[in-house]
Amino acid sequence: GQQVMQIPQYQHVQEGEDFTTYCNSSTTLSNIQWYKQRPGGHPVFLIQLVKSGEVKKQKRLTFQFGEAKKNSSLHITATQTTDVGTYFCGAGSYQLTFGKGTKLSVIP
Amino acid sequence: DVKVTQSSRYLVKRTGEKVFLECVQDMDHENMFWYRQDPGLGLRLIYFSYDVKMKEKGDIPEGYSVSREKKERFSLILESASTNQTSMYLCASSSERFLAASQETQYFGPGTRLLVL
Repeated sequence: GQQVMQIPQYQHVQEGEDFTTYCNSSTTLSNIQWYKQRPGGHPVFLIQLVKSGEVKKQKRLTFQFGEAKKNSSLHITATQTTDVGTYFCGAGSYQLTFGKGTKLSVIP
Repeated sequence: DVKVTQSSRYLVKRTGEKVFLECVQDMDHENMFWYRQDPGLGLRLIYFSYDVKMKEKGDIPEGYSVSREKKERFSLILESASTNQTSMYLCASSSERFLAASQETQYFGPGTRLLVL
């Protein structure tokens, strides 16, 4: 399967600050999916990127897929307490291999 | 809305017991998956299935087996539970096999937190 490394493992931010999590691979990825897991909840799909250099936005969230399709990022602008949770990336054409996730804490 | 349900939210078993974790999805999805989630290790794929009576090993199948007798139901079996199988178990389903070609995604169930004593 496709291996992905995700950093950082934890991130604490003041409410209103920006947040970014990164996923990297040594091989070219066919796709990358992003999920959010709230505390005590289950992963929920956010978005999928498949094209080189692709950028997608969902309100305050911006997702990027690198030109070489070896890295991806999720950026949240002006975090809110509702953004708290763990963000996972996953890659794979038929079954997903997930990064270890970035746990985001937002200090009000 | 897609619904994936798991038979128990919490389960406590003893070492050596045979454990069944059940997962049911109501969207006629072809594909079903079992993951375990551990702190610092993320989500790891145990087994998956693309069709009834069909199964394939994921990244960590040792100590587990699965059963898919009906399209909507995918069971994870711990033949002889051990303490290192204490974990959160998540089931997921998807309709598309080739994920990169569509916006299809995996839909996760609520999870079963298993404690093996």
